[in-house]
Amino acid sequence: KQEVTQIPAALSVPEGENLVLNCSFTDSAIYNLQWFRQDPGKGLTSLLLIQSSQREQTSGRLNASLDKSSGRSTLYIAASQPGDSATYLCAPGGGNTPLVFGKGTRLSVIA
Amino acid sequence: GAVVSQHPSRVICKSGTSVKIECRSLDFQATTMFWYRQFPKQSLMLMATSNEGSKATYEQGVEKDKFLINHASLTLSTLTVTSAHPEDSSFYICSARDDRTGTEAFFGQGTRLTVV
Repeated sequence: KQEVTQIPAALSVPEGENLVLNCSFTDSAIYNLQWFRQDPGKGLTSLLLIQSSQREQTSGRLNASLDKSSGRSTLYIAASQPGDSATYLCAPGGGNTPLVFGKGTRLSVIA
Repeated sequence: GAVVSQHPSRVICKSGTSVKIECRSLDFQATTMFWYRQFPKQSLMLMATSNEGSKATYEQGVEKDKFLINHASLTLSTLTVTSAHPEDSSFYICSARDDRTGTEAFFGQGTRLTVV
């Protein structure tokens, strides 16, 4: 059964810092991995999707890497802004299988 | 990107009543949809996999007679919480992938259910 762990559980940084969120998963037989953000009381916004054959994916200030064989992914956020404050979730899965979620990293960017 | 619409976004109901939540894929077809539940400060937990034209598959510990799922068409799945109790109060959210591409999962806005 897939298990997902995200470290750190919470993070508070001053505006402008670059930061790294870590995700590890136990079952490497995945089709892809998605990173999401969730604002309090809201649904999920998809940030990046990395196919299992890819090593990384970039969108604006976000860069996600995937090391499928070791069961790890990282989300790099450059020049953080207060608007980046949210909970970030990684979810391996794909194909016809449901995504499995970790508990997320709760990020707070202080102005 | 593709859109998944979920309604209602919030609902308050009395204990013992039933509540229906709809999940629609607006611009794509989805043979399979997924229903998750999220308690405060917890992760999203998969409840069931909804399959168009067949019975849903429930995760261990999820009562199929309490959480009725109907996937009536390739764009609509519904979750009915029957005989709701206060402990059913939670955030329910659905997910779907486009049958043509089958890669990225899209999520609805979620439904905040409060049972009083």
